[in-house]
Amino acid sequence: KQEVTQIPAALSVPEGENLVLNCSFTDSAIYNLQWFRQDPGKGLTSLLLIQSSQREQTSGRLNASLDKSSGRSTLYIAASQPGDSATYLCAVRILGNEKLTFGTGTRLTIIP
Amino acid sequence: SAVISQKPSRDICQRGTSLTIQCQVDSQVTMMFWYRQQPGQSLTLIATANQGSEATYESGFVIDKFPISRPNLTFSTLTVSNMSPEDSSIYLCSALTGSYEQYFGPGTRLTVT
Repeated sequence: KQEVTQIPAALSVPEGENLVLNCSFTDSAIYNLQWFRQDPGKGLTSLLLIQSSQREQTSGRLNASLDKSSGRSTLYIAASQPGDSATYLCAVRILGNEKLTFGTGTRLTIIP
Repeated sequence: SAVISQKPSRDICQRGTSLTIQCQVDSQVTMMFWYRQQPGQSLTLIATANQGSEATYESGFVIDKFPISRPNLTFSTLTVSNMSPEDSSIYLCSALTGSYEQYFGPGTRLTVT
């Protein structure tokens, strides 16, 4: 059974700093991995999708990497802003299964 | 991409009543899902909504409590039946595109009193 873990559970950093969020998964037979953002009481916003054959994806200040063999993904946020404050979730889809397995999330607070 | 809308965005309901949540996607999608998120928790998959046939429920969720319809490729409903305070949650509709990217609606915040 796929298990997805995110460390740390919560993170506070001053505005302007670069930061890295971590995601690890136990079954490396994945189809793809998605990073989402969730604001309090809201739905999830898809940030980045990485296919199993890819090593990284970039969108603006966000960069996500994937190391399938070690079961790890990182989300790098450059020049953090208060508007980046949210919970970040990674989710993995394994081969032959349309369902996503979600991580526990990292609650990020950017301090102005 | 896919843009998903849900109605209602929130509701306060009395114990024992039922609420139907509607989900509309702006494009045809491969699959649709319903999730529940209880306060402070991660997402729990309730069921996969299958077009024109019965939904596929996850362990711990049953059709009598959470009947689901999906009459076409872009629309689905979830009913929460005979509600109790334990059903107070955010209910999220989700859709999977042909490129296997998943999108979520804004959620329906349900409070049962």
